[in-house]
Amino acid sequence: RKEVEQDPGPFNVPEGATVAFNCTYSNSASQSFFWYRQDCRKEPKLLMSVYSSGNEDGRFTAQLNRASQYISLLIRDSKLSDSATYLCVVNSGNTPLVFGKGTRLSVIA
Amino acid sequence: NAGVTQTPKFQVLKTGQSMTLQCAQDMNHNSMYWYRQDPGMGLRLIYYSASEGTTDKGEVPNGYNVSRLNKREFSLRLESAAPSQTSVYFCASRDRGNYGYTFGSGTRLTVV
Repeated sequence: RKEVEQDPGPFNVPEGATVAFNCTYSNSASQSFFWYRQDCRKEPKLLMSVYSSGNEDGRFTAQLNRASQYISLLIRDSKLSDSATYLCVVNSGNTPLVFGKGTRLSVIA
Repeated sequence: NAGVTQTPKFQVLKTGQSMTLQCAQDMNHNSMYWYRQDPGMGLRLIYYSASEGTTDKGEVPNGYNVSRLNKREFSLRLESAAPSQTSVYFCASRDRGNYGYTFGSGTRLTVV
């Protein structure tokens, strides 16, 4: 089983739609979790950290389910500018972060 | 601007040539990392340095060497470039523990 698994997509959604991505991780000792955004031919950038209680940043909501070992990202009212690849990232302490391969989102006018 | 700086941004090498990719961060981070990214493969860890003076192999270290010159700088060297090393290379740094990475803008390397 891969350490971090994501549906590669692509998810093609119309503007204004709500879209959700899930990610599963295999290491139950993982301590912290992140969603990164990567635009085409650019470096990944931190979108948001994921906290046990769930957290929201504007149109973006991240949730963590430790029992089932999955993380989710919800994007509401999608914008054209949300088109990107979203990387699920897991941290097990003082070791390198583990990246999923990413889920590609295309928001269509 | 504060962050991670990579040089060069683009490079074309001939097979067998050598080169060093430079990375510097000005955030006083302890850990630094080198990744490569190929289409459909995601980010793959080449080498990392958990702290100044230490380096460790990642998932795909063959054909590469690294030097943690000081706390700020972490270089990646290709001694004899091969076409299979054509890729986008990202350097990243992290403070410690449960924090995320800050990435540099990448080096696009083509080996012909």
